[in-house]
Amino acid sequence: EAQVTQNPRYLITVTGKKLTVTCSQNMNHEYMSWYRQDPGLGLRQIYYSMNVEVTDKGDVPEGYKVSRKEKRNFPLILESPSPNQTSLYFCASSDPWTSYGYTFGSGTRLTVV
Amino acid sequence: KQEVTQIPAALSVPEGENLVLNCSFTDSAIYNLQWFRQDPGKGLTSLLLIQSSQREQTSGRLNASLDKSSGRSTLYIAASQPGDSATYLCAVHRGGADGLTFGKGTHLIIQP
Repeated sequence: EAQVTQNPRYLITVTGKKLTVTCSQNMNHEYMSWYRQDPGLGLRQIYYSMNVEVTDKGDVPEGYKVSRKEKRNFPLILESPSPNQTSLYFCASSDPWTSYGYTFGSGTRLTVV
Repeated sequence: KQEVTQIPAALSVPEGENLVLNCSFTDSAIYNLQWFRQDPGKGLTSLLLIQSSQREQTSGRLNASLDKSSGRSTLYIAASQPGDSATYLCAVHRGGADGLTFGKGTHLIIQP
């Protein structure tokens, strides 16, 4: 089954404790991205990657890092999480120039206390 | 900068009604438009994708139309069911490296 898999689904952590949210896709997509969803603000893009070793900032990149060492994986790293990063995070992948659109993961609910 | 607006923000209707959700966008230079469904606390499920060259797409009881020149799309749901209750999100894509720009969604409740 074609899918984007995120882990963990839920995470509670303390301010300043580094964490990584993993994302993996099995569709051989070159393009992967991360979004956060907040009440009243909707979904906003954090980072994206056009291919292995090629990443760039989205609309709200502050406080986040990403890496793309393999085509299928695109982890999101919070080196020093803060309470304002409490949010619902989604990973997505696509082949930008085909007609299949984006596929999203199931989301990671992060709470930073 | 692209802005996407969805109207209404919330809608509650009795089961069996046909309904229309609206999406408008400010920049008509889009590659495609995608409608998603989101259940509470869950991920996004793609419903329909319309390429910029298309006028509409259909899947079962769902029909999405696109008028690119006027910056509008509609999602038509026929014979609504309680299982259709969810938030419906509209997103536009310029293509290539640009990400999706989302509307804030329409929260739909279908009363049994």
